[in-house]
Amino acid sequence: AQSVTQPDIHITVSEGASLELRCNYSYGATPYLFWYVQSPGQGLQLLLKYFSGDTLVQGIKGFEAEFKRSQSSFNLRKPSVHWSDAAEYFCAVGAPAAGNKLTFGGGTRVLVKP
Amino acid sequence: NAGVTQTPKFQVLKTGQSMTLQCAQDMNHEYMSWYRQDPGMGLRLIHYSVGAGITDQGEVPNGYNVSRSTTEDFPLRLLSAAPSQTSVYFCASKPGQLNTGELFFGEGSRLTVL
Repeated sequence: AQSVTQPDIHITVSEGASLELRCNYSYGATPYLFWYVQSPGQGLQLLLKYFSGDTLVQGIKGFEAEFKRSQSSFNLRKPSVHWSDAAEYFCAVGAPAAGNKLTFGGGTRVLVKP
Repeated sequence: NAGVTQTPKFQVLKTGQSMTLQCAQDMNHEYMSWYRQDPGMGLRLIHYSVGAGITDQGEVPNGYNVSRSTTEDFPLRLLSAAPSQTSVYFCASKPGQLNTGELFFGEGSRLTVL
């Protein structure tokens, strides 16, 4: 069965600084990988996804993520954080051999300092 | 566009009471699912359905029942609520089981069991 680990529970970053959120997965083959964002009191919104091809994927709101097979990682990055990026971020892995059910990591809460 | 609609948004139950969380989607999606979200544990899959009349268990199905009589609706039933079921519940859908597209989430239902 697949699993996802987000090592950082909380991250505080200054507005305008860069942000990187870590995600490590466990799966026997190439998984489908996703990053979702959850604003307070809201559902989850897809930021970006990786299925195959170029290992650097671009998403909405200026986010990007890089798939590194050798490290089983799919880290999310943003060059310059805005106050509106304060939210909780979830990495998820979908297993093609298991009907693409998504398994989510525990989430990383991002706080943005002015 | 309504998307995925969950009701109620908030509910307080006493131990042993029963209730149903409603989920409806207007996107003609084949795949629907229920997750629960608990602090530090991300989202865990409770039950899912790949089409009308077909349901299956996810990671944490105990204490919950589902049915799928129509494409649009996927209610989640708690037959005898327990404090351990205090959580935020999300319904999510996508076009098909093997579709690699994103999951569309409702805004969540916060349940407290006393």
